[in-house]
Amino acid sequence: QSALTQPPSASGSPGQSVTISCTGTSSDVGGYNYVSWYQHHPGKAPKLMIYDVSKRPSGVPDRFSASKSGNTASLTVSGLQAEDEADYYCSSYADNKIYVFGTGTKVTVL
Amino acid sequence: QVQLQQWGAGLLKPSETLSLTCAVYGGSFSDYYWSWIRQPPGKGLEWIGEINHSGSTIYNPSLKSRVAMSVDTSRNQFSLRLSSVAAADTAVYFCARGSGYNWHDWGQGTLVTVSS
Repeated sequence: QSALTQPPSASGSPGQSVTISCTGTSSDVGGYNYVSWYQHHPGKAPKLMIYDVSKRPSGVPDRFSASKSGNTASLTVSGLQAEDEADYYCSSYADNKIYVFGTGTKVTVL
Repeated sequence: QVQLQQWGAGLLKPSETLSLTCAVYGGSFSDYYWSWIRQPPGKGLEWIGEINHSGSTIYNPSLKSRVAMSVDTSRNQFSLRLSSVAAADTAVYFCARGSGYNWHDWGQGTLVTVSS
C-alpha cells in the first residue's frame, strides 16, 4: 500500500485560506469515508483535526474544514493564524483493514 | 481524560529487537484499538499496526514479518516488538488510541535510534 500523495508545502498570509489535497486510490481514500487529518508540530504528538472525512473533534476551530471527492480528500484552513504553521498529514482506512498516511504537507504562514 | 505514557530503549544496534511499551491511564482499555505509529527523521508518519484488548492484531504488510504486538489488560498496557532492526527503523515511535478510524490520543513519542 503506497502512501497517499500530498503536496510537500502550502502557504498563505494570516487571514487567508490554504487547501491541502490528499490523493489515494479506490482501495483507500475513494473506498471508505474514513479519512482523517492530523496537525503535527515538530517534537509533539500529532493532533487529530478532522475525522470521518469532514467531522471536527471537540475543541478544533471551525476554521478547519475538509471534504472528499472520489480518490482525493482535501483540508482547508481558513483565516490562517500563526499557530496553524505545522505539518499536516492525512490518513485513510484501506483495504485489508490497514491504515495509510499521506506524505505530509508543511504549511507556512507568511 | 485518557493519557498514554510510553517507554523503551532508545538506542539499538542493527539486528537487535526494538521493544516499546505504552501505558494507558484513564478511560476504558477494552473499548478501543491500540496502535503504534512511527516517523523516521525528516519523513512522514507510518502506521505500524494495532491491537485490541483481546490480543487481536493487524499489522502493516510492509512490517508484518518483523512486528509483534501484545497487550497486558491487567496493567492497561500494550507493547511493540520489532525484530532485526536496521538504520531504516530509526524513528520517533508513537503509541495511540484508535477511536473509530482515527487516533485522538497519542503518547509523547520515543526516539529510537539504530546505529552500530
